[in-house]
Amino acid sequence: TQLLEQSPQFLSIQEGENLTVYCNSSSVFSSLQWYRQEPGEGPVLLVTVVTGGEVKKLKRLTFQFGDARKDSSLHITAAQPGDTGLYLCAGGGRRTTGTYKYIFGTGTRLKVLA
Amino acid sequence: DTEVTQTPKHLVMGMTNKKSLKCEQHMGHRAMYWYKQKAKKPPELMFVYSYEKLSINESVPSRFSPECPNSSLLNLHLHALQPEDSALYLCASSQEEGQHLSSYEQYFGPGTRLTVT
Repeated sequence: TQLLEQSPQFLSIQEGENLTVYCNSSSVFSSLQWYRQEPGEGPVLLVTVVTGGEVKKLKRLTFQFGDARKDSSLHITAAQPGDTGLYLCAGGGRRTTGTYKYIFGTGTRLKVLA
Repeated sequence: DTEVTQTPKHLVMGMTNKKSLKCEQHMGHRAMYWYKQKAKKPPELMFVYSYEKLSINESVPSRFSPECPNSSLLNLHLHALQPEDSALYLCASSQEEGQHLSSYEQYFGPGTRLTVT
């Protein structure tokens, strides 16, 4: 089964700092989604990237899909305590049997200190 | 309306109890999912329903029994659970199931925090 590796696994930063989270795979994805999950809640869909090289912005969050559609990044500018949470990338992958499976990345836990 | 609701929010049950988790969506989505999430881990897929029929069972033990009474509702019946089944159970929905964008954009409920004693 295809894998999505995220880095870093954990990030603790001060309010106002910038950060980048990476989501990498050796496989090509038709699209990748990014979710944010706050403690005790379900993941919330932030964005979908579809085209290689695509860049999408959501306020202070910038998402990029790699040219080869094997990786993606999330950049947060001037992080705020409200950005704290678990960030997950996800995409449709293929099982060893050939059928598809929706795969979540390993996750990046972000903590923004006031 | 992009809301998926789940009840109860929290559940504590003994290993001999029978309980049910409920999920509801009114987005007209035809695919619904159950996920299990352990602390500090990504969600793990358990079941997928497509057009009210069970499409995928990720080799989940029979003590978990899913049910889809109609296109808006999804239940997860629990019986004789083990302490290691304690986790956050998430329900999600998407427009369709399969290899296209409308299936990949999933909308999650807030989850049920289950504790098995």
